[in-house]
Amino acid sequence: NAGVTQTPKFRVLKTGQSMTLLCAQDMNHEYMYWYRQDPGMGLRLIHYSVGEGTTAKGEVPDGYNVSRLKKQNFLLGLESAAPSQTSVYFCASSPRQGEAFFGQGTRLTVV
Amino acid sequence: GQQLNQSPQSMFIQEGEDVSMNCTSSSIFNTWLWYKQDPGEGPVLLIALYKAGELTSNGRLTAQFGITRKDSFLNISASIPSDVGIYFCAGQLTNQGGKLIFGQGTELSVKP
Repeated sequence: NAGVTQTPKFRVLKTGQSMTLLCAQDMNHEYMYWYRQDPGMGLRLIHYSVGEGTTAKGEVPDGYNVSRLKKQNFLLGLESAAPSQTSVYFCASSPRQGEAFFGQGTRLTVV
Repeated sequence: GQQLNQSPQSMFIQEGEDVSMNCTSSSIFNTWLWYKQDPGEGPVLLIALYKAGELTSNGRLTAQFGITRKDSFLNISASIPSDVGIYFCAGQLTNQGGKLIFGQGTELSVKP
């Protein structure tokens, strides 16, 4: 059982570069989330989706875009990376109401 | 935006002691979740709560969904060294379907 899989696991970007983080879940969950985790800040919600084709802003959406073209995939895009986006990014999925399951995280460094 | 205030931020305890931590908010939640995160890993679900007043156990862990629906508590009894990690509360908002927000975490250290 794969659960929630994030790709890539590590990445170093130069300021201004773009990239896409991929999240895939095989549990047929409706909801998917992207969080960033910084020391002492807990997990902060970037964007989330309540179903295929829908997305919504979380607490810290600026500088990020997302897409949910297929139910099992949730993509997080950085159009022009900034050092402030250096963080660990976690994806999660959950049923309509219930526990969220997390991926292993993507460690992103922007230099 | 909505906030979950989790306390304490950190705890240093002796093996065998009991631990309590809590989360409060000004918003009403329909689901409370408690997670544990080990270094370099994603959070792992410990307990899920769905009804106000609900009390649920998972081994040495017990969590409660507050009556007001604005708070939740997690207790760990007879702590052991493998309890070390960061514990997070998370709440799913009643009036914003699907939105799941997290507290800042409680870092637990257990001295053998």
